[in-house]
Amino acid sequence: GAVVSQHPSWVICKSGTSVKIECRSLDFQATTMFWYRQFPKQSLMLMATSNEGSKATYEQGVEKDKFLINHASLTLSTLTVTSAHPEDSSFYICSADPSRGGETQYFGPGTRLLVL
Amino acid sequence: AQTVTQSQPEMSVQEAETVTLSCTYDTSESNYYLFWYKQPPSRQMILVIRQEAYKQQNATENRFSVNFQKAAKSFSLKISDSQLGDTAMYFCANFGNEKLTFGTGTRLTIIP
Repeated sequence: GAVVSQHPSWVICKSGTSVKIECRSLDFQATTMFWYRQFPKQSLMLMATSNEGSKATYEQGVEKDKFLINHASLTLSTLTVTSAHPEDSSFYICSADPSRGGETQYFGPGTRLLVL
Repeated sequence: AQTVTQSQPEMSVQEAETVTLSCTYDTSESNYYLFWYKQPPSRQMILVIRQEAYKQQNATENRFSVNFQKAAKSFSLKISDSQLGDTAMYFCANFGNEKLTFGTGTRLTIIP
């Protein structure tokens, strides 16, 4: 149980285009989902907290207009990287929490984004 | 602000040996949780062990156990009878103030 999926697992796009990444909780409902970014050989950095039916809460330094988050249902959150540039290339990981509080996070397998 | 420090960037140990990974943290929260996550080459984050700060008893999960020293803000992970499949990045993390903060990780290699 407690499986989280991400789609796509790999995406290559041209600079200036937008990319959408989906995060789904497959066997539980998640009021809260989280989006992280991981650069090569570095740790995970929280980008934003996504709550179903409300606006996402972004961490300091994360551009909300560039990283659009939509948590449309209790099982789906999406991250859209708008007007992507090479510096946005990274590994994006989502997590979902069935307990509402955030202390029980199940992680997705991640999405590798390469912007050319 | 929460911080998590892992002072060992890399470690290696012979198969079947015991290894201890260090972690210290700082938080102003009175109620928080501590975790060790494993990230193998596939990059899937896997929960290894979890500790509630209000519990004095150290958490254990099969070959994995922690030494939680609350006053010292220390949370080390001991892996007993290490196996080749334990080779991975290990991240210590602290959940408090509604967010999870990760350390910089320790790359553990199990040598056959």
